[in-house]
Amino acid sequence: NAGVTQTPKFQVLKTGQSMTLQCAQDMNHEYMSWYRQDPGMGLRLIHYSVGAGITDQGEVPNGYNVSRSTTEDFPLRLLSAAPSQTSVYFCASSRMGLGYNEQFFGPGTRLTVL
Amino acid sequence: AQRVTQPEKLLSVFKGAPVELKCNYSYSGSPELFWYVQYSRQRLQLLLRHISRESIKGFTADLNKGETSFHLKKPFAQEEDSAMYYCALKRSSNTGKLIFGQGTTLQVKP
Repeated sequence: NAGVTQTPKFQVLKTGQSMTLQCAQDMNHEYMSWYRQDPGMGLRLIHYSVGAGITDQGEVPNGYNVSRSTTEDFPLRLLSAAPSQTSVYFCASSRMGLGYNEQFFGPGTRLTVL
Repeated sequence: AQRVTQPEKLLSVFKGAPVELKCNYSYSGSPELFWYVQYSRQRLQLLLRHISRESIKGFTADLNKGETSFHLKKPFAQEEDSAMYYCALKRSSNTGKLIFGQGTTLQVKP
């Protein structure tokens, strides 16, 4: 099992550019989520999904879009990048239901917006 | 509203000293609480969960509902414990949604 994979590992964008951060998992997890990690702010939830075709907003969804067409993939789209979106982005997945609590994280994508 | 607070950004101790990483939460229901750890150049991973009441790598954490706390403790810190530690809360519901605290960097000096 590859677990949770993310691409790319690093990315530099100019203000206004768009891009998609890819996330995939091979554990057949229902729940997937995107976080951003900023110094002093911890991990903040951007968007999450409880299954294919179902997505919802987290704490900081503005400027980001997601979709979940398959169980395996959960891409995060930046429509018009801004310097405030410079961050490290983590994707995570988990089973759902009682007793299935552990979230598995990807290696992260370090994004810089100039 | 659900909230997780880790009051210390940085905790620096000497090897062999006791460690306590503080975590306080606000949630009106019955929460599930976790500690996640991120070692240098590694991905975030689960350290322990309050439900299992286990000790992992010498760390323990007890849920105190009266004080709404879930502090992480280790009696004798090791250099390899140096990492970023996050406290996280999950509602006792069917989703996997986690709310994280701000994180505490633990630095264990030789």
